[in-house]
Amino acid sequence: GQNIDQPTEMTATEGAIVQINCTYQTSGFNGLFWYQQHAGEAPTFLSYNVLDGLEEKGRFSSFLSRSKGYSYLLLKELQMKDSASYLCAVRGSGGYNKLIFGAGTRLAVHP
Amino acid sequence: EAGVTQFPSHSVIEKGQTVTLRCDPISGHDNLYWYRRVMGKEIKFLLHFVKESKQDESGMPNNRFLAERTGGTYSTLKVQPAELEDSGVYFCASSQIRLASETQYFGPGTRLLVL
Repeated sequence: GQNIDQPTEMTATEGAIVQINCTYQTSGFNGLFWYQQHAGEAPTFLSYNVLDGLEEKGRFSSFLSRSKGYSYLLLKELQMKDSASYLCAVRGSGGYNKLIFGAGTRLAVHP
Repeated sequence: EAGVTQFPSHSVIEKGQTVTLRCDPISGHDNLYWYRRVMGKEIKFLLHFVKESKQDESGMPNNRFLAERTGGTYSTLKVQPAELEDSGVYFCASSQIRLASETQYFGPGTRLLVL
């Protein structure tokens, strides 16, 4: 079967660092995506990893370990506007590009 | 550049009625995807168009759902007749190239409530 797990909720303080973990078990792997979604809005692309290692984009970084089926999203210098849901999604293999999503992690940033 | 747009933003219908959702992808994007999020669950894939052709419809729940993309531009998703369990948020996404690095850009979704 296909399974993607991430924590349901997290809280953090403005200015701090938070790490959101994602573990996956999928039939095939062809990349992992992180999206941010504010309530009532479209999921917005944050990062893409297909090779092991860390990808850095400003305050956001994403890490992938394919052998462990594990990724994390690291958010630095948290701001109130970072309060949102963060979705981990895996693209399977076999020539099909559909994304398999986790249930999302709701992050609340407090002053 | 305009993003993915979806219409309507909300729809409330009664069980047994028909609803048609529309998605306009980003201009020039050949790939168009439909996804659905049922209350409390994860976003799940429904189907994938490449231009006007259905590439993968493995996620369509049953034959009450019909998706079309005539002309390879906008797409419609019709639910007929709607059932209570069809309630949820229907997302559309589009992407430009069919490679592993392809990024799917999502619309804001249509919130469907079947009473």
